[in-house]
Amino acid sequence: EIVMTQSPATLSVSPGERATLSCRASQSVSSNLAWYQRKPGQAPRLLIYGASTRAAGIPARFSGSGSETEFTLTISSLQSEDFAVYYCQQYNNWPSWTFGQGTKVEIK
Amino acid sequence: EVQLVESGGGLVQPGGSLRLSCAASGFTFSTYGMSWVRQAPGKGLEWISYISHDSSSTHYADSVKGRFTISRDNAKNSLYLQMNSLRDEDTAVYSCARNSRHGYDSWGRGTLVTVSS
Repeated sequence: EIVMTQSPATLSVSPGERATLSCRASQSVSSNLAWYQRKPGQAPRLLIYGASTRAAGIPARFSGSGSETEFTLTISSLQSEDFAVYYCQQYNNWPSWTFGQGTKVEIK
Repeated sequence: EVQLVESGGGLVQPGGSLRLSCAASGFTFSTYGMSWVRQAPGKGLEWISYISHDSSSTHYADSVKGRFTISRDNAKNSLYLQMNSLRDEDTAVYSCARNSRHGYDSWGRGTLVTVSS
């Protein structure tokens, strides 16, 4: 099983500031990496796939980078609606797609 | 608009059974593979089962293999998860998700399953 490790567990950021979230895979997943946003009581939302491609309707302030084992999600200027938990997921190892434990982005 | 709505969760005793449903709308259900993903309290997301668009292929995580069965009814635009021999560690919010080539592109909000005596 490919283990996905996210850091930090919690990120405290002020509105308007930049947030940088990290995700590491235990082995190479090429660029088969997605990021999701989840808010309490809501369905997860796909933000990024292919490590760096924004999903339909996702604002340009969200960007992804990385390949192989190291990945980053950057939110360039945090808006109030961006405070949520973010998960990375590898989809390189079919059918066992695995997720990181999540990074909670909270208001500083 | 794509919608996935889960139902069927609740409180069940260890060793008991439960059947979850996921009603799909807003897309051609019969052309997509579908999955169940769960999230235990305070834990991350865990994929547990997948079914192909035509039910010809199914897969399960080791944690539920032999106890859970995924199925679908394309005529009813519905996905199901039959859960037997439930354990305390199966307590979680269960969500259905639509498979794409690049992860899960749509999810439901989930239904809570609590296994407790």
